[in-house]
Amino acid sequence: EDQVTQSPEALRLQEGESSSLNCSYTVSGLRGLFWYRQDPGKGPEFLFTLYSAGEEKEKERLKATLTKKESFLHITAPKPEDSATYLCAVQASGQNFVFGPGTRLSVLP
Amino acid sequence: GAVVSQHPSRVICKSGTSVKIECRSLDFQATTMFWYRQFPKQSLMLMATSNEGSKATYEQGVEKDKFLINHASLTLSTLTVTSAHPEDSSFYICSARGTVGVVDTQYFGPGTRLTVL
Repeated sequence: EDQVTQSPEALRLQEGESSSLNCSYTVSGLRGLFWYRQDPGKGPEFLFTLYSAGEEKEKERLKATLTKKESFLHITAPKPEDSATYLCAVQASGQNFVFGPGTRLSVLP
Repeated sequence: GAVVSQHPSRVICKSGTSVKIECRSLDFQATTMFWYRQFPKQSLMLMATSNEGSKATYEQGVEKDKFLINHASLTLSTLTVTSAHPEDSSFYICSARGTVGVVDTQYFGPGTRLTVL
């Protein structure tokens, strides 16, 4: 069974304090791994797609990396506006997306 | 800009009434649309998957007679919550699978907050 876990469940950072969020997955035939950002009361916003181990994508203060078992979302010098829930999802050979439970990030000024 | 729209964004209704939520893909054709439900501080729960012109596939535990899904075109899917009850109060989010630019992924709507009194 395809599974996605994320850690930590919640993370509080001071502004400027870099850190990483983890997404671990077990799937048969990974077609893609996706990162989304979700603000309270809103739908998830697409951030990145990673397709193969070793791949990296960057967007502003965020960088996503992928290995054969997990993905990391690195946040460099975060700002309060980066506070959100970050969701990871995988698309397996069955094509449906399987979402992780998310990491709630709070960046304090 | 947003690639998936959802309407209404918020609805309050009385118990026993039916509520329809629309989901539209903007500027791309969605071969598959998904409906999710999300409770506070919890992740997305897939309710059903629908392909244009065919019956929706419901996840285990989701009542198909209560949550009616119609995928009438490649850009429109609707979710109707029939005879809504307070326990149906939740945040409903649709998503559409398609290609925007070079990225093939699921794009989410902004969500609909349903409150059943």
